[in-house]
Amino acid sequence: DAKTTQPTSMDCAEGRAANLPCNHSTISGNEYVYWYRQIHSQGPQYIIHGLKNNETNEMASLIITEDRKSSTLILPHATLRDTAVYYCIVRGLNFNKFYFGSGTKLNVKP
Amino acid sequence: DGGITQSPKYLFRKEGQNVTLSCEQNLNHDAMYWYRQDPGQGLRLIYYSQIVNDFQKGDIAEGYSVSREKKESFPLTVTSAQKNPTAFYLCASSITGGLTGELFFGEGSRLTVL
Repeated sequence: DAKTTQPTSMDCAEGRAANLPCNHSTISGNEYVYWYRQIHSQGPQYIIHGLKNNETNEMASLIITEDRKSSTLILPHATLRDTAVYYCIVRGLNFNKFYFGSGTKLNVKP
Repeated sequence: DGGITQSPKYLFRKEGQNVTLSCEQNLNHDAMYWYRQDPGQGLRLIYYSQIVNDFQKGDIAEGYSVSREKKESFPLTVTSAQKNPTAFYLCASSITGGLTGELFFGEGSRLTVL
């Protein structure tokens, strides 16, 4: 199963776009990229997922490179409530295994 | 409302005691999971179950046991064999079939061994 690499932490000014990168260079052709976030001491929350094409929903946008070796999660207008740990996950070939790394701690500052 | 309920939220245990964490879901999901999270770390998979009466070990199953007698319930027992059980435990569920199912998480149970 592919693993992911993310920066440990990032800062973003409130109201600005937050761009969170993720490397998944060993991803297989049928593996999806998922993003979750975890606010302190709560259960992780699903944000978005994609396979090849860019995806957008009410929370965020997901940009996947053409070779699928990396992706970027975009929060278009970050708020203080977006301060959380963001996990980039590649869905394993074993359908029921999600591997969570250490994630990126996003600090949104006023 | 549909969701996953974990209990208790906080639990204290003396060394040498077994403790069982409850996880109940009303989402009609076939698959359920238990994860462990240590401070500043990501989630590690303990056990998962794809169907009633069947479960598989995850990456850190030693010292833990589970059962899946009902679709809605997936309790986790932390046994005295678990060397360092103090952690935040998260239960999750998902649909099975296909590649696009997402995980739904409970709010977690924080276990402290005194």
